[in-house]
Order: sequence, then C-alpha cells, then structure tokens
Amino acid sequence: SQTIHQWPATLVQPVGSPLSLECTVEGTSNPNLYWYRQAAGRGLQLLFYSVGIGQISSEVPQNLSASRPQDRQFILSSKKLLLSDSGFYLCASGGGLLTYEQYFGPGTRLTVT
Amino acid sequence: AQSVAQPEDQVNVAEGNPLTVKCTYSVSGNPYLFWYVQYPNRGLQFLLKYITGDNLVKGSYGFEAEFNKSQTSFHLKKPSALVSDSALYFCAVRDKSNTGTASKLTFGTGTRLQVTL
Repeated sequence: SQTIHQWPATLVQPVGSPLSLECTVEGTSNPNLYWYRQAAGRGLQLLFYSVGIGQISSEVPQNLSASRPQDRQFILSSKKLLLSDSGFYLCASGGGLLTYEQYFGPGTRLTVT
Repeated sequence: AQSVAQPEDQVNVAEGNPLTVKCTYSVSGNPYLFWYVQYPNRGLQFLLKYITGDNLVKGSYGFEAEFNKSQTSFHLKKPSALVSDSALYFCAVRDKSNTGTASKLTFGTGTRLQVTL
C-alpha cells in the first residue's frame, strides 16, 4: 500500500516570506499526485495535480506554484506568502485509471502571520 | 460537472445506536463514490468506495454505505456507533466518464459526527 509523507508538520511564516512544502510517496510508482488546501477544518480545495515528472496542472489561480522534480516527489511553493495562504495543506496520491481512490498524507498546518 | 452534497453539518448519536451520514451526488454519467474520515489535525483516511456491482459496500471500522442510483445517494452507515467514531466525514465523487489520467475527485463539505456516551 502507499504511504505519503509530508513535511514539515507545522509551519509559521511571516507575510511576504517564501514557502516550500514537500510531499513524497512510497509504495507505488508513477502516481498521480495532488495538492489540496483545507480551510477552517472543512472543505477541500484542489490546488494542483500532476500525472508525471514536470507535468503540473493548476486548478485555482493563486499565489502558489507546484513542481514535480522526481516521480514520487511533489513540492508546493510560494515566493511571497499572503495571510490568506494560511490553512491545512494535504498531499494525495492515486486516483488514476487503476487506483480509483486517493490516499492522503498527514498534512502541513501553515500559519501566515 | 460533478458535485457532492452533505446536507448535515453535524450528526449527533449516542454510543451503541446506529448512525447515518448522508451524501447525495450529481454527475453527468455514472459515479465512482468514496467516503473518507478525518480526525483532528490529520489527513483524510479512506473508508470505502463504490465502483460497480453490489449496492451495499462494506469498508473499514465496521462502516458501510449504500449506493442508490435512483436517489443519487451514497449514505454512510454503521450499526452501532462508538465514541471513537467521532470525526469529520467526507463524501467524494468521480464521474466514470472522466477517463483522464488524473481523474479528479469532488468532495463534499464534510459532516461532523459526534458520538456521546
């Protein structure tokens, strides 16, 4: 089965600072990867997804970007954080033609001050 | 377009009683349906899915869900609730006709389940 790792677990950053969140996946190869943001402990907003190395699709125009430098590594970045970037960021793997469901990492709690 | 509705913001049930968490969906074709559970400050855990076949799907921790095509529903159930079942539950849908290689899930807004002694 797949295991998704995310770090850091928590992060407090000032407005205007850069951001880098990392997600790595074990137990599968060539996974579909996803970044979600969950605000106020409720609904999930899909931010980015990737079907392969270097292939990134953006769902919502925003202050964030994503990259996939390796098959099982997915990175979420920002050059300058906004207060509105605060939230719980979740990485997920799966959801392809053979693995119908997605599996989620433990998440990163980001607070922008 | 695909969408999911979870009409109840919160469900309260006493331990030992049966529980139901409601979910209705909308897709243009046939659905793949999923339930996830989230404990505080944790990622989502996959509970069960409906892909095809038997309308009653059994999943982890004693949970089950019934697919009802005519009512476009996929309610989550458990015969006897535990205090430890208290958590946030998400329903999700994917349209079978969405055969892109990164088929996306659409999640509901979540239902908080509170089980009390």
